[in-house]
Amino acid sequence: GAVVSQHPSRVICKSGTSVKIECRSLDFQATTMFWYRQFPKQSLMLMATSNEGSKATYEQGVEKDKFLINHASLTLSTLTVTSAHPEDSSFYICSARGDSNTEAFFGQGTRLTVV
Amino acid sequence: AQTVTQSQPEMSVQEAETVTLSCTYDTSESNYYLFWYKQPPSRQMILVIRQEAYKQQNATENRFSVNFQKAAKSFSLKISDSQLGDTAMYFCALGGGADGLTFGKGTHLIIQP
Repeated sequence: GAVVSQHPSRVICKSGTSVKIECRSLDFQATTMFWYRQFPKQSLMLMATSNEGSKATYEQGVEKDKFLINHASLTLSTLTVTSAHPEDSSFYICSARGDSNTEAFFGQGTRLTVV
Repeated sequence: AQTVTQSQPEMSVQEAETVTLSCTYDTSESNYYLFWYKQPPSRQMILVIRQEAYKQQNATENRFSVNFQKAAKSFSLKISDSQLGDTAMYFCALGGGADGLTFGKGTHLIIQP
């Protein structure tokens, strides 16, 4: 199957700082990327959908100014958590889909801890 | 809005037994995909099986099979000859294509030796 690499796997940052998470498709062109958030022992919640070269579409309740998504190339999307607070601590997972794929492939996830 | 419901928070079976995980869903779409994902402690999402809604035949992948009842909006997963490595969270998901996935709350499956 296709490979999606997410980096970093773990990050700790101080309150008020910003942190960037990268999601790369290694062996296919990802026309669409999805960002999810997963709280401990809970399900995955879709945060936003991004198409290469377009602005991301955010789900209801997700602050677009806080969670900045950039999908500038067919192999890379980034999620920047701006002015992070402890309540932003969570597990963030990306998935990527190419035009020829009916399914999206998941990255390994990033555990964000804001202290 | 789409919804996915998994009514079994946790299940436990003995190794080699067969276990069925339940999932019901709701959508107004006429064409959609249904998925079962496994999430082990590493938290990597692993696709177990996929079903296209327009296909009547139930999908099968080795020990994993589904019972897809479109009219009842039901999509259960059967695991045969369960193995210790099957212990994980299992999520039922709806969507696919250009849309992101809507996940159920998950079922924690424990395979006992």
